[in-house]
Amino acid sequence: DIVMTQSPDSLAVSLGERATINCKSSQSVFHNSNHKNYLAWYQQKPGQPPNLLISWASTRESGVPDRFSGSGSGTDFTLTISSLQAEDVAVYYCQQYYSIPLTFGPGTKVDIK
Amino acid sequence: EVQLVEFGGDLVKPGGSLRLSCVGSGFIFSNAWLSWVRQAPGKGLEWVVRIKSEPDGGTIDYAAPVKGRFTISRDDSKNMLYLQMNSLNTEDTAMYYCATGQVFDIWGQGTMVTVSS
Repeated sequence: DIVMTQSPDSLAVSLGERATINCKSSQSVFHNSNHKNYLAWYQQKPGQPPNLLISWASTRESGVPDRFSGSGSGTDFTLTISSLQAEDVAVYYCQQYYSIPLTFGPGTKVDIK
Repeated sequence: EVQLVEFGGDLVKPGGSLRLSCVGSGFIFSNAWLSWVRQAPGKGLEWVVRIKSEPDGGTIDYAAPVKGRFTISRDDSKNMLYLQMNSLNTEDTAMYYCATGQVFDIWGQGTMVTVSS
């Protein structure tokens, strides 16, 4: 199984400042056949289901603000919120879809400082 | 509107059974890969099971904790996804979400399953 880890567990950032979340997979999720990283990021607000933000490590979903960006390859990935807004308070999860079982990171809670 | 709605969650005793359902609308259900993902209270997300579309072979994959106890099925004529859960234990207590796609781009609001005596 591919184990996903995230750091930090939580962070508090001032409004308008940058938030950076790291995700690491226990083995590479890069597929040589199509040169894609099978890595997604989700945002979950309290009482709501998760919402897909980014797929293929760096492809922002339609309607997701451009302050959210994903980067990385292989085993190390980053989600960056360039200018934190109040509505970004949530738990963020990374997930690999390279192999079964599909696995999520433990989540990173983002709050306002 | 693209939508998934789950129902069937309930309070059930350990060892009991329950069937969850999920209805989809606003997209071509028969082409969708469908998964169940659960979230225990205050915990993270755990993928449970996935069924591919029939055109893609209809392959089913289960997570180890539920293999042999849970059964996923779909009825594309009714835009329905099901999860039959048997031999439930307290560790199965969670919100159960259905979700579409290779990566989960559409989620339902979830249905709560509580396993307790």
